Amino acid sequence: DQQVKQNSPSLSVQEGRISILNCDYTNSMFDYFLWYKKYPAEGPTFLISISSIKDKNEDGRFTVFLNKSAKHLSLHIVPSQPGDSAVYFCAAGYGGYQKVTFGTGTKLQVIP
Amino acid sequence: EAQVTQNPRYLITVTGKKLTVTCSQNMNHEYMSWYRQDPGLGLRQIYYSMNVEVTDKGDVPEGYKVSRKEKRNFPLILESPSPNQTSLYFCASGEFRDRGRKTDTQYFGPGTRLTVL
Repeated sequence: DQQVKQNSPSLSVQEGRISILNCDYTNSMFDYFLWYKKYPAEGPTFLISISSIKDKNEDGRFTVFLNKSAKHLSLHIVPSQPGDSAVYFCAAGYGGYQKVTFGTGTKLQVIP
Repeated sequence: EAQVTQNPRYLITVTGKKLTVTCSQNMNHEYMSWYRQDPGLGLRQIYYSMNVEVTDKGDVPEGYKVSRKEKRNFPLILESPSPNQTSLYFCASGEFRDRGRKTDTQYFGPGTRLTVL
């Protein structure tokens, strides 16, 4: 049972345009959500997060939106840069760290 | 430098030969966890530890063991590896923060690519 889903395995975007990565979840107990970025041959690195008490969090070029009623979150990258090309994982959890569930990942390619 | 280290980075072994993948963090984090990454399945949690001597199962614990005797170390043990445990393994650590004010994050190691023949 995949509680966190990233339905787009890949996404291609032109440099300078907006990248939108989507994530859906089914467990209404999740109360925090995170995005991680992963380059080949490296471990994932934390990118941005959002608590369920918020609907938006912004950090530079990265913004995460949370729609609790739809159980949907999205990551916006504006403007997209070639260095953003990586696999992006959505993750969700509750009760602290105890159990964190990751999505299957979306591979973003930013074309120069 | 704050980091999570894993050893070995690459390992090829045969079915049934016990192995241990080590994980160490230098950030004094209470929380540590092991994940495996497989194509089409993303990252799946194997085991996690809330502190020394406190461990619990994640989503895919079958065939794995862990121990947490020291705060900095969290080894993953495969007592009798099988080919379906061929995967990319990641160790992670994190510290607890107040929920609602700071959101929990984890710091990942570089990964261990395991092949079981």
